[in-house]
Amino acid sequence: QQQVKQSPQSLIVQKGGISIINCAYENTAFDYFPWYQQFPGKGPALLIAIRPDVSEKKEGRFTISFNKSAKQFSLHIMDSQPGDSATYFCAASNGYTPLVFGKGTRLSVIA
Amino acid sequence: KAGVTQTPRYLIKTRGQQVTLSCSPISGHRSVSWYQQTPGQGLQFLFEYFSETQRNKGNFPGRFSGRQFSNSRSEMNVSTLELGDSALYLCASSLRRDPGELFFGEGSRLTVL
Repeated sequence: QQQVKQSPQSLIVQKGGISIINCAYENTAFDYFPWYQQFPGKGPALLIAIRPDVSEKKEGRFTISFNKSAKQFSLHIMDSQPGDSATYFCAASNGYTPLVFGKGTRLSVIA
Repeated sequence: KAGVTQTPRYLIKTRGQQVTLSCSPISGHRSVSWYQQTPGQGLQFLFEYFSETQRNKGNFPGRFSGRQFSNSRSEMNVSTLELGDSALYLCASSLRRDPGELFFGEGSRLTVL
C-alpha cells in the first residue's frame, strides 16, 4: 500500500519557468514532510522539509506548500534552471517511523 | 567530513547466489537505514538500525537481512538472489532516530543475471 502518492512521474519545464510537483498522503499521523533531490549516479539529498504547523516554507527558489486538510503538499521551483534537472522525491514520516517516499518525479529543465 | 560510504558500488551476481553490501555512516551518526531503489517503485524501506539494534523493518522477505556493528557500520545481506532483486541499494545515516535529515550514500548497484 503506497502511503505517499507523487505526481507527475516526469516533467519538462522551460528555463525560467515554474516547476510544480505534488504529493498526497494517507496517514494523518505523518508530521514531517521532506523533499529529496537526486542527480544521476548520486544518492538522494535533502532539499527542503516542512512540518504541519506551517502552510508554506521557502528556501531560495524552492518552496513547499502544505495543505493539512487536503493531506497534500507540493514543491515549487521558481525560475527553474538546467542545473535543477534531477529526480525529486517527496517523503513523509511520523515520529520514529521510517521515511516513506513517493515514487519520484524526473524533472528536465530545457533552455 | 566524509560522507556515507557504500561498497561495493557495482556488482553482478547470478540467481541463487547471496550478496553482502557494506555501509560506513558519517562519523558520529548512530542511525543507519537501508532502502531499495528501482525505477518502478522508487525508494522502498528495508531496515533501520540504531545502536546495533534493528528498530524497524520494511515489507521484504526474510532473504533480506542486516546488522549493525558497534562502530555503527552496517551490512545487509540478500540470500538466494532473484532477478527481481536487481536494484540500487542505498544506505543512509542520521545523527538521531527522530525524523531529521537522512544522508545517503551513492548506493550499491546490484544486477542479478
